[in-house]
Amino acid sequence: KAGVTQTPRYLIKTRGQQVTLSCSPISGHRSVSWYQQTPGQGLQFLFEYFSETQRNKGNFPGRFSGRQFSNSRSEMNVSTLELGDSALYLCASSVTSGSWGYNEQFFGPGTRLTVL
Amino acid sequence: GQQLNQSPQSMFIQEGEDVSMNCTSSSIFNTWLWYKQEPGEGPVLLIALYKAGELTSNGRLTAQFGITRKDSFLNISASIPSDVGIYFCAGQTARNAGNMLTFGGGTRLMVKP
Repeated sequence: KAGVTQTPRYLIKTRGQQVTLSCSPISGHRSVSWYQQTPGQGLQFLFEYFSETQRNKGNFPGRFSGRQFSNSRSEMNVSTLELGDSALYLCASSVTSGSWGYNEQFFGPGTRLTVL
Repeated sequence: GQQLNQSPQSMFIQEGEDVSMNCTSSSIFNTWLWYKQEPGEGPVLLIALYKAGELTSNGRLTAQFGITRKDSFLNISASIPSDVGIYFCAGQTARNAGNMLTFGGGTRLMVKP
């Protein structure tokens, strides 16, 4: 069974540009969550999508947005990039969301974004 | 916002030694998780804890969910070189709050053969 895939794996952008990252969940998984990982702030939750709807959102500015398609693939977009947006962006998929109890999340390898 | 305080930040140990790391929080969590991350990879789940007081093992790994629901620890016995990586604790609050996780700052483990 293929794992979570993220594209691209590496990306270099300049300040002010925008970027779109893609995540393909494990087949049959309907929930996709996004996390930002930086040396200073660690792993921080961005948002979760389930059945094409945003279910949860972390404490990030509106420049960070996402969406999910009917095949459960998800994209996240960052507009007007800042130097501080340089990070590893991880996505995690899960079978479901919202049921009582924890739904195991499987992480992809991440997209490393560098903003110059 | 919620924060998980994980310690120690790093450990450099000899192969064969036991390792202990822990996480504390000012908030209550309903689920505690321990992940390991290796270079170029995303975190991989090691142990999940669902009940206060629960003690769970996975091979040489043992983790416990604190009675107060505000802390958890992970022990690794008889460490080997492949244990090298960054270990994260993570917590989930309300059971019906989706899959949002709060992560600790990580413990970087280095093992000397």
